[in-house]
Amino acid sequence: DVKVTQSSRYLVKRTGEKVFLECVQDMDHENMFWYRQDPGLGLRLIYFSYDVKMKEKGDIPEGYSVSREKKERFSLILESASTNQTSMYLCASRAPGGRSDTQYFGPGTRLTVL
Amino acid sequence: QQQVKQSPQSLIVQKGGISIINCAYENTAFDYFPWYQQFPGKGPALLIAIRPDVSEKKEGRFTISFNKSAKQFSLHIMDSQPGDSATYFCAAGSGSYQLTFGKGTKLSVIP
Repeated sequence: DVKVTQSSRYLVKRTGEKVFLECVQDMDHENMFWYRQDPGLGLRLIYFSYDVKMKEKGDIPEGYSVSREKKERFSLILESASTNQTSMYLCASRAPGGRSDTQYFGPGTRLTVL
Repeated sequence: QQQVKQSPQSLIVQKGGISIINCAYENTAFDYFPWYQQFPGKGPALLIAIRPDVSEKKEGRFTISFNKSAKQFSLHIMDSQPGDSATYFCAAGSGSYQLTFGKGTKLSVIP
């Protein structure tokens, strides 16, 4: 069975802290994604990675960076957390090839920045 | 920015009724239209998807209707059950890696 895991379900940080959100997939997928989900705004793409060490900006990359050193792991980094980054963060992975095929999501990390 | 517009924002349906959620898109390059279902505390999961070479796809009680000329597609849930209560997202994608998601519809099926 396909599995995407995220390091924390809930996280509380203070303004200005550096925050790492980790995502691991066990399906040997090449593509991985980070979204944030906010009420009334749906899912918005922050960054994606189509292969190891490759990354592309999504729709809302400001204030975030990512790291993909290994195929199975994709990290989202908030260099200096701010209150407007309080949100649900979802990681997803996608099988190689095909055309925009299924993205498999993790359970999400609810981040609160105080 | 490419957009997918989803309506309604929330929907209340009686058990056994039909739930209908609509989406409209602008970019004619989109060629993949999935629907995702999300239960509270879970990540979204693919429910059903369609490509524009067909006008309808049915899987059990779930049907996607696709109108290419109108650039619209919709999800129909027949015989809606309380267990269908969830948030539903439509999305659209093209040859790129990305999906553009609608803002979601919270469906409540009441007994």
